[in-house]
Amino acid sequence: DSGVTQTPKHLITATGQRVTLRCSPRSGDLSVYWYQQSLDQGLQFLIQYYNGEERAKGNILERFSAQQFPDLHSELNLSSLELGDSALYFCASSVEGGTSTKNIQYFGAGTRLSVL
Amino acid sequence: AQKITQTQPGMFVQEKEAVTLDCTYDTSDPSYGLFWYKQPSSGEMIFLIYQGSYDQQNATEGRYSLNFQKARKSANLVISASQLGDSAMYFCAMREFNNAGNMLTFGGGTRLMVKP
Repeated sequence: DSGVTQTPKHLITATGQRVTLRCSPRSGDLSVYWYQQSLDQGLQFLIQYYNGEERAKGNILERFSAQQFPDLHSELNLSSLELGDSALYFCASSVEGGTSTKNIQYFGAGTRLSVL
Repeated sequence: AQKITQTQPGMFVQEKEAVTLDCTYDTSDPSYGLFWYKQPSSGEMIFLIYQGSYDQQNATEGRYSLNFQKARKSANLVISASQLGDSAMYFCAMREFNNAGNMLTFGGGTRLMVKP
């Protein structure tokens, strides 16, 4: 168990809908990262938050947004869903924001999103 | 250009034998970190081992070791005494120090199957 909690584990929804994925980081970790794993794109970084503030942005669509709350949990909001958004969405957490290359990211079990 | 390349989509290994999973990377950043993660069929991403670009010795963690050849830009994972539970996808990832946050760039993965 990595200590990173993601809910829900599975989500089935329809095109055009909006969903929220939730992540609780490991105790003491200040950074939260979101990644998307799909068959065609592989594992891709979406966005990082550090202590409540956005730190880095990757290949995140404008229809997607995220935030990190004062208690450090994070939510990833996906709106106007399309079939191609079906994927496994991972949250990861680490202690710091990126001053060291060894800043190990621990991953949650993922949320599997199916858009029908 | 791909930053992380894993050329073996799938591999078989006999139980109790050693196996090497290949990973080559591309960066102009002198400071970077290399990571290996395991993804069993259940889906979670499990951190295995880390190697920093300035580390003098190859990293080892139990049955996992990293064959780091900096001049060749390769960071191969060696699993000794393979077990049935080692059957999984394995991902090589890199973090470059110059990126603003701490994002990981992943390779396409290698599926390892351990035969009894």
